[in-house]
Amino acid sequence: DQQVKQNSPSLSVQEGRISILNCDYTNSMFDYFLWYKKYPAEGPTFLISISSIKDKNEDGRFTVFLNKSAKHLSLHIVPSQPGDSAVYFCAATGSAQGGSEKLVFGKGTKLTVNP
Amino acid sequence: ETGVTQTPRHLVMGMTNKKSLKCEQHLGHNAMYWYKQSAKKPLELMFVYNFKEQTENNSVPSRFSPECPNSSHLFLHLHTLQPEDSALYLCASSQGGGMNTEAFFGQGTRLTVV
Repeated sequence: DQQVKQNSPSLSVQEGRISILNCDYTNSMFDYFLWYKKYPAEGPTFLISISSIKDKNEDGRFTVFLNKSAKHLSLHIVPSQPGDSAVYFCAATGSAQGGSEKLVFGKGTKLTVNP
Repeated sequence: ETGVTQTPRHLVMGMTNKKSLKCEQHLGHNAMYWYKQSAKKPLELMFVYNFKEQTENNSVPSRFSPECPNSSHLFLHLHTLQPEDSALYLCASSQGGGMNTEAFFGQGTRLTVV
C-alpha cells in the first residue's frame, strides 16, 4: 500500500501562471517532507523541504504548504516557467523512520509549462 | 568534482553477464543508497549504507550485491539479471545517522538487460 500518493500523473499550465502539485500521505509518523524535480535521463534534484513543525516553507518561486490534519502537502510554483517542465516527486520520512535513509516517494507528477 | 557521480550512465548486459555500477560522492556524507526506478512506479529503495555498514536491504534478490568500501564509494554488482531488472538505478547520499535531511542523487545508470 502506497504511503505517499501523487494522484495526478500529469499537469499542464501556462507560462506565468501558478502550478500546484499535490501530495497525500497516510503515515502519521512522517514529520519531514521533500519535493524533488527530475528531468529525463537525470537523477532527481532536491527542491524544497518542510518539517512538520511548520505549515509553510518558501524558497524563491517555490512554496510548500503542509496540512497535517489532512495529511496533505502541496508545492506551488509562481510564476511557472517552461524550464520548470519536469517530473516532480513528493517524498516523506520521519525521525522515527530513519530520516533521509528511509525516504518514501510518490509516483511523481509530470508538469508541462507551455510558453 | 562535486555531488554524486554514477558510472556508467548507460549499460546493456546479457542475462549471463556480470557487471558493476559505481557511485562516488564528494559531499562528505555518511549514508549512501541504491534506488531503482522502473516505469510508472515510485522510486524503490534497495540498499542503505550508514557509516559503511549496511542498514537496509529491502528484500532485494541476491543477483544484486552491494559493496561499500568507504563512505565515499558505493558499488552495485550485478549477475545473472533478468529482463525485468531493466530500469534506472539511482545512487544517493545524505548526512546519515537517521537525520531528517535531504538526499542528493546521482544522474543514474540506465540498465537494459537483454
